[in-house]
Amino acid sequence: GENVEQHPSTLSVQEGDSAVIKCTYSDSASNYFPWYKQELGKRPQLIIDIRSNVGEKKDQRIAVTLNKTAKHFSLHITETQPEDSAVYFCAASIRAAGNKLTFGGGTRVLVKP
Amino acid sequence: EPEVTQTPSHQVTQMGQEVILRCVPISNHLYFYWYRQILGQKVEFLVSFYNNEISEKSEIFDDQFSVERPDGSNFTLKIRSTKLEDSAMYFCASSRSGNTIYFGEGSWLTVV
Repeated sequence: GENVEQHPSTLSVQEGDSAVIKCTYSDSASNYFPWYKQELGKRPQLIIDIRSNVGEKKDQRIAVTLNKTAKHFSLHITETQPEDSAVYFCAASIRAAGNKLTFGGGTRVLVKP
Repeated sequence: EPEVTQTPSHQVTQMGQEVILRCVPISNHLYFYWYRQILGQKVEFLVSFYNNEISEKSEIFDDQFSVERPDGSNFTLKIRSTKLEDSAMYFCASSRSGNTIYFGEGSWLTVV
């Protein structure tokens, strides 16, 4: 089955700096890659996703890149703010009816004011 | 914005007892899921449900687990005989088309 690895496990950045989180996946059939933000004790919230027919997607300060050949994808947060502090999870799935998400281990991001 | 809702938010139960966790998926969604997250760990898939039957389940979802959609709105997870290692946050999720998945706030289960 699919295996998703995520790095780093923790990331501390100064407010205003950029944060980059990287994930690799094992199943070349995976074609849908969402990113979730989870604040303490809260639900995972979808912040951005990318499908395998595109290499990059951007939404304001958040961008995701995908390299299908290398089977890795990354989340980029620019101009970080204290409210960006949370745990971020990458995930992978096969974009078909009802397919499950396989999550990475998570990255705890701390943005220092 | 419509949300997935779950009850209870927190439940403490004795080992060996049965627990039912309830979920109301987003109303026009067709795919339903249960995931769990042990404290400090990643979110793990348990089961997916579509067209009134299980479409996929993980190795975690053994015979002590079952799911049901008893009516047009609720989706439940039953754990027949709870063990200490079942202590976790259980997330219900739903999707309209099986792609973008939305999570509920979770039910925190503590088995003592």
